[in-house]
Amino acid sequence: DTGVSQNPRHKITKRGQNVTFRCDPISEHNRLYWYRQTLGQGPEFLTYFQNEAQLEKSRLLSDRFSAERPKGSFSTLEIQRTEQGDSAMYLCASSLRDRGKNTEAFFGQGTRLTVV
Amino acid sequence: DAKTTQPNSMESNEEEPVHLPCNHSTISGTDYIHWYRQLPSQGPEYVIHGLTSNVNNRMASLAIAEDRKSSTLILHRATLRDAAVYYCILRDGAYSGAGSYQLTFGKGTKLSVIP
Repeated sequence: DTGVSQNPRHKITKRGQNVTFRCDPISEHNRLYWYRQTLGQGPEFLTYFQNEAQLEKSRLLSDRFSAERPKGSFSTLEIQRTEQGDSAMYLCASSLRDRGKNTEAFFGQGTRLTVV
Repeated sequence: DAKTTQPNSMESNEEEPVHLPCNHSTISGTDYIHWYRQLPSQGPEYVIHGLTSNVNNRMASLAIAEDRKSSTLILHRATLRDAAVYYCILRDGAYSGAGSYQLTFGKGTKLSVIP
């Protein structure tokens, strides 16, 4: 399978614990995005990387959230001191760099986080 | 990115065509119209995009109004597998270097397909 891969698919954690998710994009894609989706809502943008550089961060990304993309390949999203409000589906997407913004994004199946 | 308006839900019978509308009255000249869909328990999936002319691909057709203030995603023959939430999204195609590349999703249209 050469699609976007996310691990784990499901994570249950206790409030206050730290969690880390991993995303492996399609290999030749140099753009990588993280989104968060709560029940009944569309995905909300969190952050964007071009290669290893984090170029955009949403104001939704509080200081408890940190994302990295070392060497411009896989990416990790860490949430520190989780809160119940962090419970959501975390989606990763990747795309090819193009002069415009109209290359399609390929999404992974997401990591569903439940904070108890 | 400019805002879009879609119906909350629609129903279709299996094997019949489906027309999913999207209004985007504040679209700018450089905004492309993108459609994504999200099947249950899956990440969103790209469907189609266009600027001014109607577009066809293996999944669907996109009909864009002459004034570009609205568009319609057409599924020519709905199958049970097409039951999903369909999102209409505008993306500015003007090249701006390190500008915003995010997709701004609304709530979309939940399509139900009746066997």
